[in-house]
Amino acid sequence: LAKTTQPISMDSYEGQEVNITCSHNNIATNDYITWYQQFPSQGPRFIIQGYKTKVTNEVASLFIPADRKSSTLSLPRVSLSDTAVYYCLVGGQSGGYNKLIFGAGTRLAVHP
Amino acid sequence: NAGVMQNPRHLVRRRGQEARLRCSPMKGHSHVYWYRQLPEEGLKFMVYLQKENIIDESGMPKERFSAEFPKEGPSILRIQQVVRGDSAAYFCASSPPTLAADTQYFGPGTRLTVL
Repeated sequence: LAKTTQPISMDSYEGQEVNITCSHNNIATNDYITWYQQFPSQGPRFIIQGYKTKVTNEVASLFIPADRKSSTLSLPRVSLSDTAVYYCLVGGQSGGYNKLIFGAGTRLAVHP
Repeated sequence: NAGVMQNPRHLVRRRGQEARLRCSPMKGHSHVYWYRQLPEEGLKFMVYLQKENIIDESGMPKERFSAEFPKEGPSILRIQQVVRGDSAAYFCASSPPTLAADTQYFGPGTRLTVL
């Protein structure tokens, strides 16, 4: 399973765009890139998933360059409620299931 | 459409007691995963189950921990003779039985405190 590296923490202000980059140099051909968000005292919540190029949903965008060795989660116009830990995960199904490997994540603090 | 349910949300046990954590997956989901999270750390995989089958328990401690997912009822994570080091948040996740790059849906967790 590919290891990921992401910043330990980030600070931002309300209304700004936040970009969190994750490195995954050893990503395998069949691996997907998935981002989860976790608030204190809650379980992780799926944000977005992609394989290559760009994926966008109502919450975020995910940019993946051609070599797929990194990815960037983009949160447009953050608010205070976006303060959370963001996890970048890389992997895919093996044997019909996928045991997620979480790193320490990026602690995003959004300030007024 | 209810999400993944876990109970209890908080559990306090004394050393040597047993802890039983329950997880009801989302409707239609037959895959259940259990993870453990220590403070300030990411989640660690413990076990993956399907109905009546343990598929992968490579993350489970060899002793005192067991898990089941019976044909009827919730999945149970059981910790016997708890020790202080078992204090953590335990999360259950479920996913549907598809071959796609599955998305796991997490419950709110059970916070176990061992006194």
